[in-house]
Amino acid sequence: QKEVEQNSGPLSVPEGAIASLNCTYSDRVSQSFFWYRQYSGKSPELIMSIYSNGDKEDGRFTAQLNKASQYVSLLIRDSQPSDSATYLCAVKGAQKLVFGQGTRLTINP
Amino acid sequence: DVKVTQSSRYLVKRTGEKVFLECVQDMDHENMFWYRQDPGLGLRLIYFSYDVKMKEKGDIPEGYSVSREKKERFSLILESASTNQTSMYLCASIPGLAYYNEQFFGPGTRLTVL
Repeated sequence: QKEVEQNSGPLSVPEGAIASLNCTYSDRVSQSFFWYRQYSGKSPELIMSIYSNGDKEDGRFTAQLNKASQYVSLLIRDSQPSDSATYLCAVKGAQKLVFGQGTRLTINP
Repeated sequence: DVKVTQSSRYLVKRTGEKVFLECVQDMDHENMFWYRQDPGLGLRLIYFSYDVKMKEKGDIPEGYSVSREKKERFSLILESASTNQTSMYLCASIPGLAYYNEQFFGPGTRLTVL
């Protein structure tokens, strides 16, 4: 079992809809969770971090964490074509981050 | 507003060559990282450094070494390049191990080994 798993997609969502990206992790002691956005040909940029169970909202983005189920998700409301990118989930272990393989998201106008 | 720079965006080398990838950060960060990114595999940690002259192996250190002689510079060395090291290489830095929420990546170096 991979330490951090994401559905690689591609995930296709119509413009204006909610995009839902999911991630599961195997290390129960993980405490810090991150979502990165990576445009084609560019390096990853951090868009959300979450540390406690529940929801954390930042503009159109909401991160959700459920430690009991070892599950973290990212919701993008009112999806825009500019949200088309690969989204990477990352989980902090003892010292380092472990990344999922990423989900490619396409927003269709 | 440059934060993390890498010496080359694209690099083509031959099998067996010694390859140096350079990374420089201007944020006075303690920790620096080298990742490689391959399709379907995500980012995998090669090496990281938590202080000058200190280094730790990541998940895939075989075939690589690193050097950190100055705080701002972290070099990745491929001692004898092989075709399976063709990849995108990304450098990153953070102020300290509790500050992954302040991680910045460099623009990446796409290395092709022929």
